Amino acid sequence: NAGVTQTPKFQVLKTGQSMTLQCAQDMNHNSMYWYRQDPGMGLRLIYYSASEGTTDKGEVPNGYNVSRLNKREFSLRLESAAPSQTSVYFCASSEAGRKNEKLFFGSGTQLSVL
Amino acid sequence: GNSVTQMEGPVTLSEEAFLTINCTYTATGYPSLFWYVQYPGEGLQLLLKATKADDKGSNKGFEATYRKETTSFHLEKGSVQVSDSAVYFCALRPDSSYKLIFGSGTRLLVRP
Repeated sequence: NAGVTQTPKFQVLKTGQSMTLQCAQDMNHNSMYWYRQDPGMGLRLIYYSASEGTTDKGEVPNGYNVSRLNKREFSLRLESAAPSQTSVYFCASSEAGRKNEKLFFGSGTQLSVL
Repeated sequence: GNSVTQMEGPVTLSEEAFLTINCTYTATGYPSLFWYVQYPGEGLQLLLKATKADDKGSNKGFEATYRKETTSFHLEKGSVQVSDSAVYFCALRPDSSYKLIFGSGTRLLVRP
């Protein structure tokens, strides 16, 4: 049971470099999310996709772009990485985005920007 | 606005001790409330949830009751084990929203 798969697990970038974090789910879920986790701040929503073909900004979207490539895949792109984007990034999915649904999380990508 | 406040950690307990992790929230309407757990090196997993006032969520010996009068959703366990060592996140999902809003997390360390 793969669930939510994120790649890569670790990445080190230099300031100004770009990269794309990949996420795929095999549960036929409609909704997908990108969160970042920083010490003492819990998880904050970057972007979400309620369904294939739609994306919306979360709490902290600046410096990021997303693509919902198809129902399975939701990628997060950093066009010009900054040290403030050093964080652990989690992708998540849920069946339909209903209020009482649980989210399924990937195992995370640890990103360091030097 | 909507927010979640959790007690700061770390919380250090001996095995078989009683656990309480406090969580209070601010929200309009009737949010759903959740506890997620993160084991070292892993993503978050749902531990339990409650969707309306006075509901009690429970799983793996953990319980939490949705208290609207005190806007709280405290996590409790009667007897913790070393394997319960993890970070625990309280979260809420407001009415008509896709956003799951997390507290800052509480690290629990259980010693043998």
